[in-house]
Amino acid sequence: DIRVTQAPSSLSASVGDRVTITCRTSQTINTYLDWYQQKPGKAPKLLIFAASNLQSGVPSRFSGSGSGTDFTLTISSLQPDDFATYYCQQTYSPPRTFGQGTRVEI
Amino acid sequence: EVDLLESGGGLVQPGGSLRLSCAASGFTFSSYAMTWVRQAPGKGLEWVSTISGSGGTRYYADSVKGRFTVSRDSSQNTLYLHMSSLRAEDTAIYYCAKEAPGTTSSLDYWGQGTLVTVSS
Repeated sequence: DIRVTQAPSSLSASVGDRVTITCRTSQTINTYLDWYQQKPGKAPKLLIFAASNLQSGVPSRFSGSGSGTDFTLTISSLQPDDFATYYCQQTYSPPRTFGQGTRVEI
Repeated sequence: EVDLLESGGGLVQPGGSLRLSCAASGFTFSSYAMTWVRQAPGKGLEWVSTISGSGGTRYYADSVKGRFTVSRDSSQNTLYLHMSSLRAEDTAIYYCAKEAPGTTSSLDYWGQGTLVTVSS
């Protein structure tokens, strides 16, 4: 099985900050990696698919990069609506494991 | 507009069974693979199972293999998760999700989730 290691587990930031979250996989997965945002009591929402493609309707301050085993989600200028938990998921092969999550808080 | 509505959750005793349903609308149900993801209270997301659009291919997490069965009924536009031999660690919110068009298996639409509690 492919292990997915996400870091950090939590971070404190302010509005306007640039935020970076990383995921590392135990095997190369090309660009089969997605990023999700989840707010308390809500279902996850797809932000980035295939490592770097912005899902329709997602603000352009979100971006993704990486391939192989190392991936990054960047929020260029943190907004109040962005305080949430973020997860990466590899879709290269089943089981399609998620990272442990990164909680972004003030 | 795509809509996914889960139902069937509730309180069940250890060793018991439960069937979750996910009613889909707003898209051609048989054309898309569907996935179940769960989230234990206060914990992260865990992929549970995926079924292809035709229903011919199914994948399971090791934690549920042999106990859970995913199925779909395209005549009813409904996805199911049959859960048996339930354990306390199966307690979670269960989400169904639709896979996006293309080959990436990204989950572009999610239901609101249904809570399963396994306890005596």
